[in-house]
Amino acid sequence: DAGVIQSPRHEVTEMGQEVTLRCKPISGHDYLFWYRQTMMRGLELLIYFNNNVPIDDSGMPEDRFSAKMPNASFSTLKIQPSEPRDSAVYFCASSIGLAKEQYFGPGTRLTVT
Amino acid sequence: AQKITQTQPGMFVQEKEAVTLDCTYDTSDQSYGLFWYKQPSSGEMIFLIYQGSYDEQNATEGRYSLNFQKARKSANLVISASQLGDSAMYFCAMRERDNTDKLIFGTGTRLQVFP
Repeated sequence: DAGVIQSPRHEVTEMGQEVTLRCKPISGHDYLFWYRQTMMRGLELLIYFNNNVPIDDSGMPEDRFSAKMPNASFSTLKIQPSEPRDSAVYFCASSIGLAKEQYFGPGTRLTVT
Repeated sequence: AQKITQTQPGMFVQEKEAVTLDCTYDTSDQSYGLFWYKQPSSGEMIFLIYQGSYDEQNATEGRYSLNFQKARKSANLVISASQLGDSAMYFCAMRERDNTDKLIFGTGTRLQVFP
């Protein structure tokens, strides 16, 4: 069975460029989460969806960040324009309901120069 | 205030020995869940074990067990018979069902298993 799939695995871009991260959750999971991990701030939730609807985006750092989930099998996290402080590992995770475990993708390591 | 506290930045254990990774939490909710995740050097986050606040028995999953002490608000992870492949970062996390429902992670403990 395929787990959560993220692409790209690594992204290097220049400041000011648009970056789009992609996620395919596990089939049948109704919740999807986007996290960011940095040395300074640890692992923090950015936004999560239930049945493709954004439920809580209070963790999104600023208007440069946006996330969409057009269907049950695909989500994107977009940063426009990107800044060096956005450099981090971005994880997508999915779950069945909120009660128990979330399954994480392999992450996208973003470097903004 | 920190919701999840992991006081051990790093731990060492010899192969085949047991090790306990500490986690304390802070909540006023009655309904909450506690989780442990493992992050090896390859970077992925791997779910290990879950404990619900109303579960009377300590959770166990193979070599992993969760020492849940509700009154002390602690949820320590015990790894028995450590293996070299257990070397990784370990994160404790909590979800408050009556609050935000978000999963809040601790800062992690780096475990090194040596032969």
